[in-house]
Amino acid sequence: GQQVMQIPQYQHVQEGEDFTTYCNSSTTLSNIQWYKQRPGGHPVFLIQLVKSGEVKKQKRLTFQFGEAKKNSSLHITATQTTDVGTYFCAGPNGNKLVFGAGTILRVKS
Amino acid sequence: GAVVSQHPSRVICKSGTSVKIECRSLDFQATTMFWYRQFPKKSLMLMATSNEGSKATYEQGVEKDKFLINHASLTLSTLTVTSAHPEDSSFYICSASILWRGPQHGEQYFGPGTRLTVT
Repeated sequence: GQQVMQIPQYQHVQEGEDFTTYCNSSTTLSNIQWYKQRPGGHPVFLIQLVKSGEVKKQKRLTFQFGEAKKNSSLHITATQTTDVGTYFCAGPNGNKLVFGAGTILRVKS
Repeated sequence: GAVVSQHPSRVICKSGTSVKIECRSLDFQATTMFWYRQFPKKSLMLMATSNEGSKATYEQGVEKDKFLINHASLTLSTLTVTSAHPEDSSFYICSASILWRGPQHGEQYFGPGTRLTVT
């Protein structure tokens, strides 16, 4: 079945450093979604990318969708302690979403 | 944005008892809700898709008779963990999808989750 792989599993960065998480799907996706889950919280929708090669920005967050629509990345510039949490990518499979394993981001101040 | 509530947020029950978890979409109608289970520092494991007015669709390996799902209205879905055992202890999260539109898949809005502990 469809698989969504995400790396790295963990990332510890110094505050102010950049951070990137990568997502790869075993199949071509109609869209890719990104979610953030703070420690002790629940996943919160961040963004959806639909077009091949699409790039979207939200303040210090930059989201990319690959040309082949099988991979995506989330890049955070100059991380802050508020960026701590787990970042999940997810791709649709029918009316369901298949989530990646997530990347846990820890920021050292 | 869309708000999904979940109740209770935490529950402790004895082994062998049943626990009901409610998931409500507060400001929109959700024809489809999803139930997930999440282990510590792990990803979301989809348990079932809850469709309003029809039977839920369970993922492979999820026992239908153990995890009863009812989606009686466009704003409420319930998950009942029957005859709970300690291994059922977990974080259960529901979500609702606002829109299903062609090639775009509606984003999901998650409830705050329910921490179940079975003693």
